[in-house]
Amino acid sequence: DTEVTQTPKHLVMGMTNKKSLKCEQHMGHRAMYWYKQKAKKPPELMFVYSYEKLSINESVPSRFSPECPNSSLLNLHLHALQPEDSALYLCASSQEQSGLGIDTQYFGPGTRLTVL
Amino acid sequence: GQQLNQSPQSMFIQEGEDVSMNCTSSSIFNTWLWYKQDPGEGPVLLIALYKAGELTSNGRLTAQFGITRKDSFLNISASIPSDVGIYFCAGQLVGADGLTFGKGTHLIIQP
Repeated sequence: DTEVTQTPKHLVMGMTNKKSLKCEQHMGHRAMYWYKQKAKKPPELMFVYSYEKLSINESVPSRFSPECPNSSLLNLHLHALQPEDSALYLCASSQEQSGLGIDTQYFGPGTRLTVL
Repeated sequence: GQQLNQSPQSMFIQEGEDVSMNCTSSSIFNTWLWYKQDPGEGPVLLIALYKAGELTSNGRLTAQFGITRKDSFLNISASIPSDVGIYFCAGQLVGADGLTFGKGTHLIIQP
């Protein structure tokens, strides 16, 4: 089973709203990732969690706040977003985050976010 | 940051034709991955390559990890309508965190 699940599938929010995106995997993976993807562009890495600790924050604005409650769950809390934040938000997981070539990442289906 | 040069950007082919796309870089990669993405969905892993020179097949798909570790290609034989989509290469740089993605190849099959 190489399934990563994400909820919700679609989300529309105003600029003053607070919402959260959720991601879950049950593959025993210890690394989890958030990516942002604009239309017809490749995914852009936002955050990496390794063993439930934030290891990478790719200069993402503070209006995006990640959280890893346990090894199977990853959240992305959203607050005071801008219309240009509208995108497909993808979660991924991998066995490790070792940089040693065993970090094959499996992606979830994504959450389509629209900020009005 | 590091870049992967993926080509072609788009391909218009007839059903039944073979397809070839590739990614190159000036940097050395530990791992090469090929993903396919349908509109509104997440990327789906097609083939993962871990060793220089490795040639791996998955049904009608064949991919190779270049011997210099700086390039990879993906071939699709006898294309069918469900092959339509965007194909991304992605690589894991030596000692780096996360993946570096190519800009994608948009495959369109003409009737």
